[in-house]
Amino acid sequence: AQSVAQPEDQVNVAEGNPLTVKCTYSVSGNPYLFWYVQYPNRGLQFLLKYITGDNLVKGSYGFEAEFNKSQTSFHLKKPSALVSDSALYFCAVRDFSRGRRALTFGSGTRLQVQP
Amino acid sequence: SAVISQKPSRDICQRGTSLTIQCQVDSQVTMMFWYRQQPGQSLTLIATANQGSEATYESGFVIDKFPISRPNLTFSTLTVSNMSPEDSSIYLCSGGGLAGAVNEQFFGPGTRLTVL
Repeated sequence: AQSVAQPEDQVNVAEGNPLTVKCTYSVSGNPYLFWYVQYPNRGLQFLLKYITGDNLVKGSYGFEAEFNKSQTSFHLKKPSALVSDSALYFCAVRDFSRGRRALTFGSGTRLQVQP
Repeated sequence: SAVISQKPSRDICQRGTSLTIQCQVDSQVTMMFWYRQQPGQSLTLIATANQGSEATYESGFVIDKFPISRPNLTFSTLTVSNMSPEDSSIYLCSGGGLAGAVNEQFFGPGTRLTVL
């Protein structure tokens, strides 16, 4: 089965500093990888995806992610964090096993940006 | 993108009763899913809602407990039957396969269920 792992429960960063939220994947075949953000009491918002092509993917709100096949990673990054980026971030992979098309999610990483 | 709405947004229910959650998508989507999320936790897939046929359930979820309907490409319902406090959770509807965004999956705001 396809899976993703987010090794950090929480990431703390000061406003204006670069941020990284880590994600590693375990898939058979080519991975379809996604990042979502969830603000308090709201649904998930799509940030970006990697299907094929350039390893550096740019998404919403200034976020980007780097697909690294040798390290099986898909870390989310932003050059300069904002306090408003504080939220819960999920990495996900599309699970094609057993005919599924749904996303399988990581455990989530809470990002706290301090002013 | 697709906009997904859910009703109700929240509810408090008594043990042993049932609640039906409605999900409406503003565009036709080929795929619809239902997830469960404990507050601050990850999402767990309950089932894939199939148009015109029985839903496909994940391990640990059964049709008698979580009956699902999907009469067309924009609407689905999830019923949580014979509820117990362990069913208290956030239930999220999701749609995907939208024309022009085939690989993306969109989510509703969730239904927060509390069972007393």
